[in-house]
Amino acid sequence: GQNIDQPTEMTATEGAIVQINCTYQTSGFNGLFWYQQHAGEAPTFLSYNVLDGLEEKGRFSSFLSRSKGYSYLLLKELQMKDSASYLCAVKDSNYQLIWGAGTKLIIKP
Amino acid sequence: GAVVSQHPSWVICKSGTSVKIECRSLDFQATTMFWYRQFPKQSLMLMATSNEGSKATYEQGVEKDKFLINHASLTLSTLTVTSAHPEDSSFYICSAPIGEGNTEAFFGQGTRLTVV
Repeated sequence: GQNIDQPTEMTATEGAIVQINCTYQTSGFNGLFWYQQHAGEAPTFLSYNVLDGLEEKGRFSSFLSRSKGYSYLLLKELQMKDSASYLCAVKDSNYQLIWGAGTKLIIKP
Repeated sequence: GAVVSQHPSWVICKSGTSVKIECRSLDFQATTMFWYRQFPKQSLMLMATSNEGSKATYEQGVEKDKFLINHASLTLSTLTVTSAHPEDSSFYICSAPIGEGNTEAFFGQGTRLTVV
């Protein structure tokens, strides 16, 4: 079956750095997405990786290793507004998005 | 940036009634729209894919007669929950893929449906 694993919850301190990991086992691979979702709201697109390596976008970076079936989202200079769930999703061989359950990130002052 | 507008943002309805949720792409044409459902503290679950001008494709286990999807134009897709029951209470979200190779997807604001 297809599976995406990410930690259920993480806690970090304002101003610090946090890395959220995602491992996947899917039938085929056509890209990996990271989304941010605040409670009761729709997800917001953060990043897309299809080739190995690091993609940097402001305070957020996303890394992909296809051979390891692994990605991480790195958040720097954490702000209180970064408290949200972070969803990892993979497009499989049928171009269908397979979603992880999300990682709830709690930021403490 | 691309905007997908979903309406209503929340609705409370009586058991047995029908509810229509609209999803509009405001500044681009969406030939495809995805409809998701999300129960509290759970992941997004794809319900169906609507395609402009043709029948929607439903995921396994999703009742087509209960969740009617219409994609009548390139900017509007609708999901109608017919004969709603309390177990249909959930957060429903639409999204439209955009970008070369559909590398991004923009989501509507979501609709919180409560069936009483």
